[in-house]
Amino acid sequence: EAGVAQSPRYKIIEKRQSVAFWCNPISGHATLYWYQQILGQGPKLLIQFQNNGVVDDSQLPKDRFSAERLKGVDSTLKIQPAKLEDSAVYLCASSSLLAGGFYFGPGTRLTVL
Amino acid sequence: AQTVTQSQPEMSVQEAETVTLSCTYDTSENNYYLFWYKQPPSRQMILVIRQEAYKQQNATENRFSVNFQKAAKSFSLKISDSQLGDTAMYFCAFRRGTSYGKLTFGQGTILTVHP
Repeated sequence: EAGVAQSPRYKIIEKRQSVAFWCNPISGHATLYWYQQILGQGPKLLIQFQNNGVVDDSQLPKDRFSAERLKGVDSTLKIQPAKLEDSAVYLCASSSLLAGGFYFGPGTRLTVL
Repeated sequence: AQTVTQSQPEMSVQEAETVTLSCTYDTSENNYYLFWYKQPPSRQMILVIRQEAYKQQNATENRFSVNFQKAAKSFSLKISDSQLGDTAMYFCAFRRGTSYGKLTFGQGTILTVHP
């Protein structure tokens, strides 16, 4: 079974630029999550999708972050414009209806200069 | 809201020894799941072990076991026969017992295994 795929693995941008991250969950997993992990901290949920609907985006900075999950499969997270404090690892995870753990992708490390 | 607290920012252990990582959580839920995740420097988050709150028996996975104290809201991870490959950041995480519950993470504990 293929795992959660993310791209790119690394991204360096200047502040005020835009950036987009892509995630492909495990096949059949209806729930998809984007987490932000600042260096030395635990991951923080940004947004949760159930199929292509948003379940929880209470901690998503909506003035600059947006996310979509077209057709309930792949998802894209965008930051526009980026700030220095957005430097972090962005983790995508998916889970199925069956109770249990999440499956995480390798993450995208974003550096904003 | 649920909170997860890991009070040990860093721990170290000698190879082949045993180490215990601590975790406490706060919730009003009765049905939930607890997890320990390992995150090596490569960054991939790996599930180590999980515990269902309704189960009294502590979960065990090879060298990894938990001490789940529901009344005390405590969930510690014991690693026996520590190996160099166990060096990583370890996160305790909580999930409500609904089908689509999110994971709430603690701050993490950096574990270093010394040869």
